[in-house]
Amino acid sequence: GNSVTQMEGPVTLSEEAFLTINCTYTATGYPSLFWYVQYPGEGLQLLLKATKADDKGSNKGFEATYRKETTSFHLEKGSVQVSDSAVYFCALRDVFNFGNEKLTFGTGTRLTIIP
Amino acid sequence: GAGVSQSPSNKVTEKGKDVELRCDPISGHTALYWYRQSLGQGLEFLIYFQGNSAPDKSGLPSDRFSAERTGGSVSTLTIQRTQQEDSAVYLCASSLGAGGFQETQYFGPGTRLLVL
Repeated sequence: GNSVTQMEGPVTLSEEAFLTINCTYTATGYPSLFWYVQYPGEGLQLLLKATKADDKGSNKGFEATYRKETTSFHLEKGSVQVSDSAVYFCALRDVFNFGNEKLTFGTGTRLTIIP
Repeated sequence: GAGVSQSPSNKVTEKGKDVELRCDPISGHTALYWYRQSLGQGLEFLIYFQGNSAPDKSGLPSDRFSAERTGGSVSTLTIQRTQQEDSAVYLCASSLGAGGFQETQYFGPGTRLLVL
């Protein structure tokens, strides 16, 4: 079956530090990959996505590249801000398994940025 | 435009009572999903609707859980005879359609359920 493994948290960084949150996946088909973010007191929001190998998703200074050879979709940001403090979820959807439209999520990584 | 809305935002109930949770998807979205977010289990899929049909109910944890969708729009998740382990945040999401590479799921704010 499908599964997502992501870096255990919590992660605490200083402002302007470089961020990497690791995510690897197992899928029976050829999945689309997503990063969702949950800011304190808010709902899940799509941060970025990639639908095929070597695609790079990007948004708000965050990037992630779909690496089929390593089954990975690591999230990176060059210089984090206090406002990036949130819980980040890696997820996949198996697009070729018709009728199986669900997202499979990782456990989430809590990120705290200190000034 | 309006996003996915859910009601109530918070619900406290006593063990053994039934509860109904409501989801209003984004207008025009034909696919609707329910997930559950709990401390012990993370984010889990419950059920998926395409129109009023539910092709995938595989995530419903027991027969105490049921869901319906009417008119291809509003959905209700019902939990009968609630147990303390049902305490969680119940999230609803919708997407424009199903299948294909570009179908992004948009999430509502969730209903926080506490069973005493």
